[in-house]
Amino acid sequence: AQTVTQSQPEMSVQEAETVTLSCTYDTSESDYYLFWYKQPPSRQMILVIRQEAYKQQNATENRFSVNFQKAAKSFSLKISDSQLGDAAMYFCAYRSASNNDMRFGAGTRLTVKP
Amino acid sequence: DAGVIQSPRHEVTEMGQEVTLRCKPISGHNSLFWYRQTMMRGLELLIYFNNNVPIDDSGMPEDRFSAKMPNASFSTLKIQPSEPRDSAVYFCASSFGATNTEAFFGQGTRLTVV
Repeated sequence: AQTVTQSQPEMSVQEAETVTLSCTYDTSESDYYLFWYKQPPSRQMILVIRQEAYKQQNATENRFSVNFQKAAKSFSLKISDSQLGDAAMYFCAYRSASNNDMRFGAGTRLTVKP
Repeated sequence: DAGVIQSPRHEVTEMGQEVTLRCKPISGHNSLFWYRQTMMRGLELLIYFNNNVPIDDSGMPEDRFSAKMPNASFSTLKIQPSEPRDSAVYFCASSFGATNTEAFFGQGTRLTVV
């Protein structure tokens, strides 16, 4: 099965600054999808952004963007102009295009300092 | 649609007791996932179904765990007998159709085994 690795258990950023969360994955597949989810203290899982592996262009959603490096199997999330409401656990996820399997990394806890 | 509905939200049980967690996926979704979240292991995939059929249960910890999906609108995760190390938050998620769609999560069940 594919594995997803988030090497930063915790990250901290000053309000209005930019922070990058790292994610790497291991797969032998060429077609797949990648996601970043946010989990605030409410425990709800919220989709932040998605990326199709066949697309070279990096996905962007407002203040959130990704740096997708397919050859390196890397999928980092950049949060610009960080806000207090961005404080949460962030999970990177890999979804196989062949069998629907969807796996998550261990998560990164982001703290935003005022 | 009300989203993915899990019950109960919280469960406290004594070691050795049987525990049944329930999930109602979003209507029309054909994939259903069960995850377990702990501080140590993050978000682990336990089992997933496509069109009510279990596809991969390799994440189920041991024989004490079992999952069923008798129809498209209902799934259960059962632990028998329960142990203190099963204490965690259990999430159910569902998704529709193509694998580039995200999984929608329920609010989770916090299980405490004492």
